[in-house]
Amino acid sequence: AQSVSQHNHHVILSEAASLELGCNYSYGGTVNLFWYVQYPGQHLQLLLKYFSGDPLVKGIKGFEAEFIKSKFSFNLRKPSVQWSDTAEYFCAVNDGNFNKFYFGSGTKLNVKP
Amino acid sequence: DAGVIQSPRHEVTEMGQEVTLRCKPISGHNSLFWYRQTMMRGLELLIYFNNNVPIDDSGMPEDRFSAKMPNASFSTLKIQPSEPRDSAVYFCASSLPKHYTGIDKNIQYFGAGTRLSVL
Repeated sequence: AQSVSQHNHHVILSEAASLELGCNYSYGGTVNLFWYVQYPGQHLQLLLKYFSGDPLVKGIKGFEAEFIKSKFSFNLRKPSVQWSDTAEYFCAVNDGNFNKFYFGSGTKLNVKP
Repeated sequence: DAGVIQSPRHEVTEMGQEVTLRCKPISGHNSLFWYRQTMMRGLELLIYFNNNVPIDDSGMPEDRFSAKMPNASFSTLKIQPSEPRDSAVYFCASSLPKHYTGIDKNIQYFGAGTRLSVL
């Protein structure tokens, strides 16, 4: 079975700091990769996705992620975080053949104003 | 489209009672997923359906949990009897058929969740 690892469980940053959240997955075939965000008290929303093509994908609110196939990684980045980015971030993978998703354990980001 | 609709938003019940959570997927979506989110265990997939048929229920914790999808627009997750350790937020999500080629392909859309408290 596939698995998704998010090594940072809790990240605290000050506003304007740069962000990078790690995500590694275990699957050797073709994958679809996602980052979802969950703001406090809300449901998960899609932040960005990668299916194919340019490995650097841009999402909403200034977020981007880079797919590095050789490292089985899909790290999320943002050059300058805002207080409103305080949320939990989930990396997810599916193999494209099935609709089942594998979610990481999530990273809680706390941005201090 | 109104998105994935879950009801109730909040449920408080006593241990031993039956709890039924409801989900209406986005029209046209043929896959439906039930997740449970807790502080301790994070986001867990309980079960998912394709075309109303349960495909993988390996995440269902115990026989006390059951899920049905009688038609393409409705699903239920039932806990009978409920226990305090079932307290969690339960999310439903839906997605388009895997043969779909549009921009929404392979994206799961989540409902607002049901916050369940079992006392």
